[in-house]
Amino acid sequence: GQNIDQPTEMTATEGAIVQINCTYQTSGFNGLFWYQQHAGEAPTFLSYNVLDGLEEKGRFSSFLSRSKGYSYLLLKELQMKDSASYLCAVRRSNYQLIWGAGTKLIIKP
Amino acid sequence: ETGVTQTPRHLVMGMTNKKSLKCEQHLGHNAMYWYKQSAKKPLELMFVYSLEERVENNSVPSRFSPECPNSSHLFLHLHTLQPEDSALYLCASQMWREGSYEQYFGPGTRLTVT
Repeated sequence: GQNIDQPTEMTATEGAIVQINCTYQTSGFNGLFWYQQHAGEAPTFLSYNVLDGLEEKGRFSSFLSRSKGYSYLLLKELQMKDSASYLCAVRRSNYQLIWGAGTKLIIKP
Repeated sequence: ETGVTQTPRHLVMGMTNKKSLKCEQHLGHNAMYWYKQSAKKPLELMFVYSLEERVENNSVPSRFSPECPNSSHLFLHLHTLQPEDSALYLCASQMWREGSYEQYFGPGTRLTVT
């Protein structure tokens, strides 16, 4: 079967660091995406990992371990605008993404 | 400013109505998607069109009927829906080529079936 697990909700403080984990068990793996979705808005692309390791992009970094079926999104210097849902998705084929249910991140002042 | 637009943004319909959702992409992409997003559930892929040919159909009930008249437009025709079909319907587009797999989403249509 296809399974992607993320925590349902996380809370963090403005200015701090938070790590959102994603574990997956899928038949076929061609890469892993992270998307951000603010309430009532479209999901927007954050990162795409194909190879093992850490990819850094400004305040956001994404890590992948294919052997462990594990990824995380690291957000540094949290800002109130980072309050959103973060979606993990595995690319199985050219067109098919398997999505997690998303992690709602709440930032407190 | 998103390059993918969807109309209407909100829709309330009865179970016997017929309505259509529209998606338009202004990005020159060659693939378009319909997803269903229900509260606290993963996005569910419904249909994929590549170069106006349907390439994925994930066992979606026949009361949902997609149409892709050209590479910029995608429709989802709805008829005889059920209350459990109430959800956010997201359209996405992609420029499919080797090494490029990012999907760009529209803001969605919030559908309520009464």
